[in-house]
Amino acid sequence: QLQLQESGPGLVKPSETLSLTCSVSGGSISGSSYYWGWLRHSPGKGLEWIGSIYYSGSTYYNPSLKSRVTISVDTSKNEFSLRLRSVTAADTAMYHCAKAPSRGAFNIWGQGTMVTVSS
Amino acid sequence: DIQMTQSPSTLSASVGDRVTITCRASQSISRWLAWYQQKPGKAPKVLIYDASSLESGVPSRFSGSGFGTEFTLTISSLQPDDFAIYYCQQYDSFWTFGQGTKVEIK
Repeated sequence: QLQLQESGPGLVKPSETLSLTCSVSGGSISGSSYYWGWLRHSPGKGLEWIGSIYYSGSTYYNPSLKSRVTISVDTSKNEFSLRLRSVTAADTAMYHCAKAPSRGAFNIWGQGTMVTVSS
Repeated sequence: DIQMTQSPSTLSASVGDRVTITCRASQSISRWLAWYQQKPGKAPKVLIYDASSLESGVPSRFSGSGFGTEFTLTISSLQPDDFAIYYCQQYDSFWTFGQGTKVEIK
């Protein structure tokens, strides 16, 4: 059964870069036509899609975050990563990685990791 | 960008009530809509996909309908486990969520 697990620092300083990794187990990250995505939620902003990477390597980003986001994949480690640059307090949220079938809902989610932006 | 608008923002209901949540898209998204349930400290769980298809393992009291720009999630008989926040999400063009509807105990 496919499982996703986020990892990374829980505290990031303002103006620095938030980096998270999602480890995929129970299946190959490059073996099927899935989108692998990053999403976040916070009490003030609800659920927000950050970006996704297709199994082929194509990336898609939320226009509101596009200038600060990079998503990449490491097939040798079966994981994909998020980098969000120049963070502010507004980026404080629970971050999830998730998987969606080609044109579909995110049907498998990691448990999430809380990231706080503070000096 | 496609905007998703949910109503109401909060809904107070009792166990056994029939509950309806509405989601409107800023442009036609065909049937490319999902509904999620989220509880505190948990990842969202997909209930409905493609507007009206029930995700495996989801109770049949949940149903979805709609096409184009107007969509509805219905809970036929609200159960204690159903008090949560519900989100709609379009996936016609990237992914966009509605702002959420909190279903609380009346």
